This record gives sequence, structure tokens and C-alpha cells, in this order.
Amino acid sequence: AQSVSQHNHHVILSEAASLELGCNYSYGGTVNLFWYVQYPGQHLQLLLKYFSGDPLVKGIKGFEAEFIKSKFSFNLRKPSVQWSDTAEYFCAVIPYGSSNTGKLIFGQGTTLQVKP
Amino acid sequence: DAGVTQSPTHLIKTRGQHVTLRCSPISGHKSVSWYQQVLGQGPQFIFQYYEKEERGRGNFPDRFSARQFPNYSSELNVNALLLGDSALYLCASSLTATPYEQYFGPGTRLTVT
Repeated sequence: AQSVSQHNHHVILSEAASLELGCNYSYGGTVNLFWYVQYPGQHLQLLLKYFSGDPLVKGIKGFEAEFIKSKFSFNLRKPSVQWSDTAEYFCAVIPYGSSNTGKLIFGQGTTLQVKP
Repeated sequence: DAGVTQSPTHLIKTRGQHVTLRCSPISGHKSVSWYQQVLGQGPQFIFQYYEKEERGRGNFPDRFSARQFPNYSSELNVNALLLGDSALYLCASSLTATPYEQYFGPGTRLTVT
């Protein structure tokens, strides 16, 4: 079955530290890839997306992610985190050719806590 | 522009009851998807509707059903509620049914007692 795995469930960083959140998916075909963020008390928001082209994509608030097809990975990075980045982060995939073209498959999420 | 709206925000039901959740997509969006998010997990896909037709269904029992109206709003219905149905129910809209980015509403928190 298609699945998405996020390596870290809970990450604690100090402000200005660098961030990398791992995401791997299990699907051999073409995929669309997403990172969503959920700030405390807010709804899910799209952080960035990859459909095709340059595998290094930039999103909002200084986040970026790199698609490595050979590793089935789409890791999220930020060079220097801020306290306001405290949130839950979800990696998600839509596999091409799936009968469920609107089906986002989510990972279990990573809670990021940034200490001031 | 208004985002995706959902009603009600919170709901408490008893086992065996029926519930209807409502969603209004972003203006111009024709596709609505429903997700269930249990505490501590990522959202799980339930349904996608596009132009009033079901375009996708997740691994949920037949107690779950949905429909989409001509104005593209949608309802999710759950019959014979179980304790395990307690979750945050999310609605997401997108422009079309193809793999496009989806925009999420705030969700409806359902508690089954």
C-alpha cells in the first residue's frame, strides 16, 4: 500500500538552529509532493509543493524541500528556525495514476518545538 | 477571499447516532475532499467529490457517505456512530479533481460518547 513515513515525531530546536525533517514515500511512479504546516490553533496550510522540474523547491517563510527520486524522499529544510516555526509539519503525496487523484496520503506528522 | 469554511466547529454525539458535517469550498473551486484526523496522526482520506460526482473513496466503512451540491458545497454523513469516529474532520477544496494542491478548512471536532 502507498504510504508516507516521517522519520521524526518530535523535534526540539533552539532558535537559529538548522532544521531538516525527513519524509519518505512508497510509490514507484510519478508523484506530486507537499509539505503542510499546522500552527497551534490554526488549520493546515500549504508550505510548499513539488509537481515537476527543479527538485529543489522553495516555499513560504524560508522553507525549502528537495525531491530525491532515487531515494523516494522529500525532506524539508530551513537554515535558521524561529520561535514562530513551532508547529506540526506534515508531508503528503498524491500518486499519479491512482484511481484517487485527489487523495493526499499524509505522513504521521512531526511536531517541531523551537525554544527561544 | 474567504477560505474553506466548515460547520459546525465542534459536535458531541452519542454512540449510534447520525451526524452531518458541512463544507463550503473556496470560491471557484469545484473539488472537495474529506479527511479524518485522529489525534496524533496525519489526516486520512475519506472521499473526493468533483462536479457532484464521487471521484475517490478511502478505506472507510459504508457508514460514511458524502455528497456535493450544485454550488460545490459538500456534506459528510456518518451513520451509527462509534467511539472510534471521534476525530477532527477536515474538508479541503481544490480547483479541479486532478492532483492539485488542496486548501484545508479549520475542521469539525467530533466527539462520540
